[in-house]
Amino acid sequence: QLLESGGGLVQPGGSLRLSCATSGLSFPNYAMTWIRQTPGKGLEWVSAISGGGESTYYAVSVMGRFTVSRDNYMNTLFLQMNDLRAEDTALYYCAKCSSFGGVFGTDAFDMWGQGTMVTVSS
Amino acid sequence: QPVLTQPPSSSASLGKSARLTCMLSSDINVNNYKIFWYQQKPGSPPRYLLYYYSDSDKGRGSGVPSRFSGSKDVSANTAILLISGLQSEDEADYYCMMWPSNVLFGGGTKLTVL
Repeated sequence: QLLESGGGLVQPGGSLRLSCATSGLSFPNYAMTWIRQTPGKGLEWVSAISGGGESTYYAVSVMGRFTVSRDNYMNTLFLQMNDLRAEDTALYYCAKCSSFGGVFGTDAFDMWGQGTMVTVSS
Repeated sequence: QPVLTQPPSSSASLGKSARLTCMLSSDINVNNYKIFWYQQKPGSPPRYLLYYYSDSDKGRGSGVPSRFSGSKDVSANTAILLISGLQSEDEADYYCMMWPSNVLFGGGTKLTVL
């Protein structure tokens, strides 16, 4: 199970930290990813992190502003979002990558949380 | 910039088959990539359905019935999701996804079951 939290209303230029608490899976053995969804633009991949946390990946649209991390003792995934813009407004999902071993690449996202809403507005 | 194009809507009759398409932009060759398909119902997160690379390299997600299958039309540079024996519960949005470099989603198709 994946459970996101940390979303909310924030002003442009502000920051938020999203969390994704996991249970029932061998968390360190799976890469994890963040995906966002807006009514107008559909699904957009945001970021990902390898199982051990040594490798991180970002969409061009968030590079330099967002930072993904994980705590493998707490079985939790994080997304630190800085310098937020109106176009970052979306429902943010965390998802598990399907391949055991923790490497991120050409994987299905086979488990999704319910999402946490981020609204960037003044 | 690679693009996956899905028709915004599609419809098919109960018990019949639905063929949902995902056309790749000309800069990416469907033959070279795994294509992933997801189903999303209102108020729920996407659900992983299946992936298709070739007839010898394909797979369905856990609990996904065999009436969901994938294929490719190489001549049209298009990936296809086929749903046979349509049920009312299949009415949903369907998204294709691939990894040309980073992850890329199609815009989704809303399937109506008549």
